[in-house]
Amino acid sequence: SYELTQPPSVSVSPGQTARITCSGDALPKKYAYWYQQKSGQAPVLVIYEDTKRPSGIPERFSGSSSGTVATLTISGAQVEDEADFYCYSADSSGNLFVFGTGTKVTVL
Amino acid sequence: EVQLVESGGGLVKPGGSLRLSCAASGFTFSNAWMSWVRQAPGKGLEWVGRIVSETDGGRTDYAAPVKGRFTISRDDSKNTLFLQMNNLKIEDTAVYYCATDSAGIEHWGQGTLITVSS
Repeated sequence: SYELTQPPSVSVSPGQTARITCSGDALPKKYAYWYQQKSGQAPVLVIYEDTKRPSGIPERFSGSSSGTVATLTISGAQVEDEADFYCYSADSSGNLFVFGTGTKVTVL
Repeated sequence: EVQLVESGGGLVKPGGSLRLSCAASGFTFSNAWMSWVRQAPGKGLEWVGRIVSETDGGRTDYAAPVKGRFTISRDDSKNTLFLQMNNLKIEDTAVYYCATDSAGIEHWGQGTLITVSS
């Protein structure tokens, strides 16, 4: 079965840059999406189609993708950005989907 | 404003069945592709399955762990999405979210908890 691999945790000081990677064999041909989930809440879409930011999402969130790795960057991380982050994409068929293993971001 | 409200969760014994509903509003439901996602306690997100709009063929796809046991359907006249779950297993215990999925999963409901236990 298809898998998307993320680092379990990322720590960053306030105001610094956090980068979260997502590795998957189909990423060269399939878009990556990124979700932020705070404790006890439903996930929120922060990046779609590799690089696009939904309205209402702060500009400090950006996305990129190169080869088999998609990356979410939080530039100037804030304490309120602490959360679990998940990537999401399709397998090569485009009909089966998977979430990444998840990354806990700590800002302290 | 897009609203998705799940219902039908609760406690069920292994081998039992349950049907979840998701009432949608604030968008044209009949045009929307919809997904179910679940999250076991303390675990990550897991895609369950998706249904495309009837105008796009109504196709359904499922994750391997639920294929053959779960069925996604929709009633466009009532703006409602369903998840029929049969032969439930302990490992199906999770919060189940419905979500819009027309260009990636965009809007989420608040989720409903399913507990499978004897």
